[in-house]
Amino acid sequence: GENVEQHPSTLSVQEGDSAVIKCTYSDSASNYFPWYKQELGKRPQLIIDIRSNVGEKKDQRIAVTLNKTAKHFSLHITETQPEDSAVYFCAASMGSGNTPLVFGKGTRLSVIA
Amino acid sequence: EPEVTQTPSHQVTQMGQEVILRCVPISNHLYFYWYRQILGQKVEFLVSFYNNEISEKSEIFDDQFSVERPDGSNFTLKIRSTKLEDSAMYFCASRLQGFDNEKLFFGSGTQLSVL
Repeated sequence: GENVEQHPSTLSVQEGDSAVIKCTYSDSASNYFPWYKQELGKRPQLIIDIRSNVGEKKDQRIAVTLNKTAKHFSLHITETQPEDSAVYFCAASMGSGNTPLVFGKGTRLSVIA
Repeated sequence: EPEVTQTPSHQVTQMGQEVILRCVPISNHLYFYWYRQILGQKVEFLVSFYNNEISEKSEIFDDQFSVERPDGSNFTLKIRSTKLEDSAMYFCASRLQGFDNEKLFFGSGTQLSVL
């Protein structure tokens, strides 16, 4: 089955700097790659996703890149703010309903004011 | 935006007892899931449910676990004889069918504590 590796496990940045979180996946059949943000005690919230027919997607300060050949994808947050502090999870799946999302272990991002 | 709702938000039980966690998926969604998250760890897939039957399950989802959609709205997870290691946050999730509908909507979770 699919295996998703995520790093780093923790990341501290100064407010205004950029943060990059990287994930690799094992199953070349995976074609859907979402990123979730989870604040303490809350549900995971989708912040951005990308499908395998696209190499990059951007939404304001957040961008995701995908390299299908290397089987890795990354989350980029620019101009970080204290409210970006949370745990971020990457995930992968084949996109069909029968195939579940497989999550990475998460990255705890701390933005220092 | 419509939400997946879960009850209760917290459940405390004694080891060996049965618990039922309840979820109401978004009304027009067709795929339903249970995930769990042990404190400080990643979100782990338990089971997916479609067309009134289990479509996939993980190795975590052993004979102690069962799921049911008893009516048109509720989706439940039953743990027959709870163990200490079942203590976790349990998330229900649902989604629409088809390409371009992969977004998974999570409920707010049930924190299960087994004593």
